[in-house]
Amino acid sequence: QSVLTQPPSASGTPGQRVTISCSGSSSNIGSNTVNWYQQLPGTAPKLLIYSNNQRPSGVPDRFSGSKSGTSASLAISGLQSEDEADYYCGAWDDSLNGQVFGGGTKLTVL
Amino acid sequence: EVQLVESGGGLVKPGGSLRLSCAASGFTFSSYSMNWVRQAPGKGLEWVSSISNSGSYIYYADSVKGRFTISRDNAKNSLYLQMNSLRAEDMAVYYCARGDGDYVSSPLEYWGQGTLVTVSS
Repeated sequence: QSVLTQPPSASGTPGQRVTISCSGSSSNIGSNTVNWYQQLPGTAPKLLIYSNNQRPSGVPDRFSGSKSGTSASLAISGLQSEDEADYYCGAWDDSLNGQVFGGGTKLTVL
Repeated sequence: EVQLVESGGGLVKPGGSLRLSCAASGFTFSSYSMNWVRQAPGKGLEWVSSISNSGSYIYYADSVKGRFTISRDNAKNSLYLQMNSLRAEDMAVYYCARGDGDYVSSPLEYWGQGTLVTVSS
């Protein structure tokens, strides 16, 4: 069982807006910033969003993140076929003294 | 360009040992924390271990504590993971990942391509 909780799957049609939720606790999301990682099929994960809502250089502004209390969410607007991937939320956990991840959400573009 | 290249994976018997290496280039290695993250076949990401830029702070997941040892050689721009007493459940692709700062809790900004560790008799 993953420390952070994500829905196992999400889907949308091209152009739609989809959101992926991530639920944690006071020792991780509640006290540290949230990061999101995108893993395209057969590739290594890539940092997509850091510090709750910051995009690394090169990440389209269609991707956005937010955090409230012990939960966070990733929003993808103007969905494109190349967005089909697994998405993981992550954060530092002060009790476990380590990085924790969600179980991952497989996004399907219909 | 930041590059992280893992090596050392392979087939090992249960109870055996393996040492993974991660060669870093394109940045000042001694200024950043480093991490190992693994992914079992068809499964999600699992953090394994983190080490601060100087090596002063080291943390392990409970699942590997006492069996795995993370280390770094800043003179050689290299990160290592010594894995002992390997179990079937350790079978995974192991990724080397760089933090975006010198602190161990920083986001994992860059990832290597991974090296596969197979534990089987």
